Amino acid sequence: AQSVAQPEDQVNVAEGNPLTVKCTYSVSGNPYLFWYVQYPNRGLQFLLKYITGDNLVKGSYGFEAEFNKSQTSFHLKKPSALVSDSALYFCAVRDGAGANNLFFGTGTRLTVIP
Amino acid sequence: DTEVTQTPKHLVMGMTNKKSLKCEQHMGHRAMYWYKQKAKKPPELMFVYSYEKLSINESVPSRFSPECPNSSLLNLHLHALQPEDSALYLCASSQVHRGTESNQPQHFGDGTRLSIL
Repeated sequence: AQSVAQPEDQVNVAEGNPLTVKCTYSVSGNPYLFWYVQYPNRGLQFLLKYITGDNLVKGSYGFEAEFNKSQTSFHLKKPSALVSDSALYFCAVRDGAGANNLFFGTGTRLTVIP
Repeated sequence: DTEVTQTPKHLVMGMTNKKSLKCEQHMGHRAMYWYKQKAKKPPELMFVYSYEKLSINESVPSRFSPECPNSSLLNLHLHALQPEDSALYLCASSQVHRGTESNQPQHFGDGTRLSIL
């Protein structure tokens, strides 16, 4: 069975500082991992994904994520946070067996303080 | 601007009403999804259509009835809903390439915020 955990409900960071939003996963096969962002009253926007290959994945808006197989983690990072990055971030996982199901973490609210 | 369009943006209905939510995409995606999202919670998958055929129904009550009339449209027909059905209903779509369905990202609409009186 697939699952994904986001251990922090809330992350606060000062503008200009690096940010990290944590995600750990559990799958039975190869993991396909995704990060989405949701702004108020909007749908989810795709940021980046890890399928295979380089463990450091670069995505939209300057975000990147590091896949760590031994720690079963896929943390989202950005070198310098912007106030406009404040939003709800979801990590998601799919089993590589070809299923369409996308399992979401509980979400982390990021607040970037000016 | 999102490439998946959902209408209406807001809907208020009584428990005896019948209404429909609509979703449209023109990206050529052949997989379409309905999700339910409660406040401050992750989206919960309801239905998946692949090539206009229902492939997944996550034990959703029959008062929710999905329909996929063609490859660009997805509807969700609502009847006799309960107050606990109030939520944001999100539609999504993704490419379907044989053997690579799992690694295609889903593209979401902005949702319909549904309130049941």
